[in-house]
Amino acid sequence: DSGVTQTPKHLITATGQRVTLRCSPRSGDLSVYWYQQSLDQGLQFLIQYYNGEERAKGNILERFSAQQFPDLHSELNLSSLELGDSALYFCASSPSGTSPSGANVLTFGAGSRLTVL
Amino acid sequence: AQSVTQLDSQVPVFEEAPVELRCNYSSSVSVYLFWYVQYPNQGLQLLLKYLSGSTLVKGINGFEAEFNKSQTSFHLRKPSVHISDTAEYFCAVSRSNDYKLSFGAGTTVTVRA
Repeated sequence: DSGVTQTPKHLITATGQRVTLRCSPRSGDLSVYWYQQSLDQGLQFLIQYYNGEERAKGNILERFSAQQFPDLHSELNLSSLELGDSALYFCASSPSGTSPSGANVLTFGAGSRLTVL
Repeated sequence: AQSVTQLDSQVPVFEEAPVELRCNYSSSVSVYLFWYVQYPNQGLQLLLKYLSGSTLVKGINGFEAEFNKSQTSFHLRKPSVHISDTAEYFCAVSRSNDYKLSFGAGTTVTVRA
């Protein structure tokens, strides 16, 4: 157990629907990152939050949004789902908001597997 | 341009044989380098990291990696693999002017008896 908790583990939904993925960071970590892992794109960085504020944005679609709450858990909202959104979505957390480094190592959750039919 | 390149997508290897997974990166600023492992149906687990100092770093489960600045490489090695090393391995780079961790495409290692 890495200490990063993601729910749900599996989710099956239909095109056009909206889903929310939830992440609780490791105790003491202030940053949360979201990554998408798909067969054709590999591991793609979506977005990072640090202590409630958006810190960095990657290849996140406009249909997707995220937020980090005061208790530091984070949610990734995916709307108007398409078949191509089927993927494994990982959340990671780290202690601070600086660049990933020896003191700011990312710890990953087990992922949420989204299947869009 | 690809910032992290893992040169082998699949590496089959026999049990107790050595294995090397190759990773090259591109960066004009200082970097931190990582190897993560993803076992089947699990999340990513940190194997080892290079920050500075000795270019040979040792990680968990008998893995080690060597940083070569002139060749911008960070190859992962294990002298003798086990069946349980069957997994996907990801090389990742963090740049001093960037907040994210950039991953390579991954190398699938399949260990056979």
